[in-house]
Amino acid sequence: DAGVIQSPRHEVTEMGQEVTLRCKPISGHNSLFWYRQTMMRGLELLIYFNNNVPIDDSGMPEDRFSAKMPNASFSTLKIQPSEPRDSAVYFCASSLAHGYSGNTIYFGEGSWLTVV
Amino acid sequence: TQLLEQSPQFLSIQEGENLTVYCNSSSVFSSLQWYRQEPGEGPVLLVTVVTGGEVKKLKRLTFQFGDARKDSSLHITAAQPGDTGLYLCAGQETSGSRLTFGEGTQLTVNP
Repeated sequence: DAGVIQSPRHEVTEMGQEVTLRCKPISGHNSLFWYRQTMMRGLELLIYFNNNVPIDDSGMPEDRFSAKMPNASFSTLKIQPSEPRDSAVYFCASSLAHGYSGNTIYFGEGSWLTVV
Repeated sequence: TQLLEQSPQFLSIQEGENLTVYCNSSSVFSSLQWYRQEPGEGPVLLVTVVTGGEVKKLKRLTFQFGDARKDSSLHITAAQPGDTGLYLCAGQETSGSRLTFGEGTQLTVNP
C-alpha cells in the first residue's frame, strides 16, 4: 500500500517567494494533519482536517500560512511570502478515525524547506 | 495545548547497555504513543498505550503508561546500534484527535 505521499521532498527558495507543499493521504483515511519539525521546537501540529474540514488551525504560525483540503485525497500547505525562519521539515500525516483513542497516525517522509 | 516533557534529550550508550526514556506531563491523556524517527524519514509508530498502568513489550522494548495516564516510559534492554534514532512520545488529548509530541530523545548506540 502507498503511504502518505508528500511533494516536493526538498525545496530551496528565496525569501519572499511563495511555497506550496502537497500531500496525498492514505486512501480511506479521513483525518489529515500538517506538522512542522525544527531542532528548536520539535514536532508541532500546524493544522488538522477531518473529512476535508479544518478542525483545529491554532498551530498555524501566522497569516502567511494557509492550508486547504479540496478533496479527500489531496491537501496543500502554502506559505506566502516565505521567510528564512520558515525553514523546517514539514510533515503531512493521516489517520483513519477522528476522536478514536489510540488511532494510528501515518506520516509521510516530509518536505524539507530551506528559505534563503 | 497539553505539554509533554521527554528526558533525557540526548543519550549515547554502548551496545549491550540498558536505557530508559521518560515522558512526563501534568495533563491526562486518553492514550500515549511512542514513535521512532530515522534521519530523512517521518516518525513511525512503535506502540500505543491506552489504559493506566498498561505495559506493552515489543521485543527488547518495554513501554509503560503511568497509572494516572500522565506519564510514560520506554525501556530498551541490551541496546543495539540499530536502535539508534529519535524517540518521540505523543499524547492524544482527551477531547479528540489532536496529538501533542514531546521534544524527543536522540539515542545513539555505539558498537
